[in-house]
Amino acid sequence: NAGVMQNPRHLVRRRGQEARLRCSPMKGHSHVYWYRQLPEEGLKFMVYLQKENIIDESGMPKERFSAEFPKEGPSILRIQQVVRGDSAAYFCASSPTANTEAFFGQGTRLTVV
Amino acid sequence: AQSVTQPDIHITVSEGASLELRCNYSYGATPYLFWYVQSPGQGLQLLLKYFSGDTLVQGIKGFEAEFKRSQSSFNLRKPSVHWSDAAEYFCAALNDMRFGAGTRLTVKP
Repeated sequence: NAGVMQNPRHLVRRRGQEARLRCSPMKGHSHVYWYRQLPEEGLKFMVYLQKENIIDESGMPKERFSAEFPKEGPSILRIQQVVRGDSAAYFCASSPTANTEAFFGQGTRLTVV
Repeated sequence: AQSVTQPDIHITVSEGASLELRCNYSYGATPYLFWYVQSPGQGLQLLLKYFSGDTLVQGIKGFEAEFKRSQSSFNLRKPSVHWSDAAEYFCAALNDMRFGAGTRLTVKP
């Protein structure tokens, strides 16, 4: 059973471009969480999704950021018109239900130049 | 507000010494609590978890944590630290999957 897969591992975007980060949860997991980690900082919750539904997006910036977890395929975190301040590591975690521990991917390191 | 707090940003211990990392929670009901470890450039690995029952929880890599309701704490301990334990440690609550700010552990030779 493969773990949580995130790709790409590293992503470089120029200011103003779009960044798409993908997260394939573990098999049988229908709950996905996204976090952002800035250099030398902790994990900041962004959004919690269950298949086809956004459960909690209280940590998402109001503009430019969106997330989805379709019925088929990976969860996508999309950042439009990236700025330098978006440079960070973005981690995805998944769990089989709402009340169990989450397993993390290796993260996508986004660099905006 | 519900939250998890890790009071210590950075801790340095000598190899072989004991370790205790603090975690305090602020939730109305007893939260489900976790400790994760993050090695440099890596994702997070679950060390241990507390849902209910025995308040002393054993985890991987020789770590344990004790849930103390009276102190609203879930501190992580290890009797003898190894150089490979140098990493960032995060406490988290399942209720909302929020994490503490993390504690960076440095191990001196």
